[in-house]
Order: sequence, then C-alpha cells, then structure tokens
Amino acid sequence: DAGVIQSPRHEVTEMGQEVTLRCKPISGHNSLFWYRQTMMRGLELLIYFNNNVPIDDSGMPEDRFSAKMPNASFSTLKIQPSEPRDSAVYFCASSPRDRGTGELFFGEGSRLTVL
Amino acid sequence: AQRVTQPEKLLSVFKGAPVELKCNYSYSGSPELFWYVQYSRQRLQLLLRHISRESIKGFTADLNKGETSFHLKKPFAQEEDSAMYYCALTHSGNTPLVFGKGTRLSVIA
Repeated sequence: DAGVIQSPRHEVTEMGQEVTLRCKPISGHNSLFWYRQTMMRGLELLIYFNNNVPIDDSGMPEDRFSAKMPNASFSTLKIQPSEPRDSAVYFCASSPRDRGTGELFFGEGSRLTVL
Repeated sequence: AQRVTQPEKLLSVFKGAPVELKCNYSYSGSPELFWYVQYSRQRLQLLLRHISRESIKGFTADLNKGETSFHLKKPFAQEEDSAMYYCALTHSGNTPLVFGKGTRLSVIA
C-alpha cells in the first residue's frame, strides 16, 4: 500500500487564485482528516470525515475554505480565494475503523505558498 | 477544551545523553495520549501511545494524571533520533487528535 496520497506536493500561486488540494486515503480506512501545519500554530485540525460524512468542520478558518469527500477514496480541500496567510503545509490523514481516531496515517503533505 | 502544551520549540542534546521531551495537557476526563514523530523527509508517524505502555526505539512515555503530563524519555540519545516530535491527545477514541506545537530534537554528535 502506498499509504495516504496527496497532491500536489508543492503549490505556488498568487493571491486571489483558487487552490485545490487532493487526498486519497488508505483503502479501508473510514475516517479522513485535514490538518494545517504552520510554524506559529503547529498542527491544526481543519475538518474530519467519518464514512465520507463531514463530522466537524469547526477548524475551517473561514468560508474561503471548503472540503468534500464524494467517495471513500477521495477528498478535496479547496481555498477560494487564496490569501498569503493561507501559506502552510496541509496534511491529509486517514484512520481505520478499529483504531479510533488516535492512530493516524499521514500523507506527505501539500506545501502551499500564496504570493 | 482540550489543549496540549509542548513548552520547548527546540531541544539540543549530545549523543549518548538522556533526553526528555515535555508534554502537558489540559482535559478533565480520561485522555488518550500519543507521541508522533516526523523525521527529515518522512511522513508524520505514530511513535507510541500511552495505553500500550511500550518502548519504541528506546523511547518511553508515562501518563501522569496528577501532573497532567506525558513526557517522552530516552536514556541515551542517538543521532537518528533528530526529528520533530508532536504530543497529541484524544478522548474516548472518537474525537480527532489535538496536537501540541511540536518540539524539534537535535542530537549532536
């Protein structure tokens, strides 16, 4: 298994542009999480899904951020319009049903730079 | 509200010296505590969890409910231990992990 797959690995864009980050969880995992990592704030949970249903999106910074999980093998995190303060590494993680939410399997992250 | 505090952003130790990465938490119930590690150019991965009471790569961590701490310890640091370490908390196993801000451990040869 290749693990959690994220794309793109790096994205450089200009302020105001739309950014879409993609994630493919490990097959069979039923929970999916989006985290954002910055130097100042560390790892922050943005949103998580259970069986493709969004459970808690209270960490989504504002309406510019949206996330979807149309099926068990794909999720997107969209920022529209992007701003320089959105620059961060965005991690997707998945977790199997029998491990609760404590054992997460992380992707390699998508490093976003908004100029 | 749940909170995890890692007071040190950076910790430098010499090879062979003991290392202790501090983690304190605030939660009134029964938490589950974890340590995650991110080595250079690798994914963030689980190192150990308190309920397992195991030693991984020589690291151990004991949950101290009285002091609300879950410090990570290793008696003799190795260069390959240099990495970013995150302490994390959940409760009941059904809530997402809350992470501390992380501590970068640098082991000097």
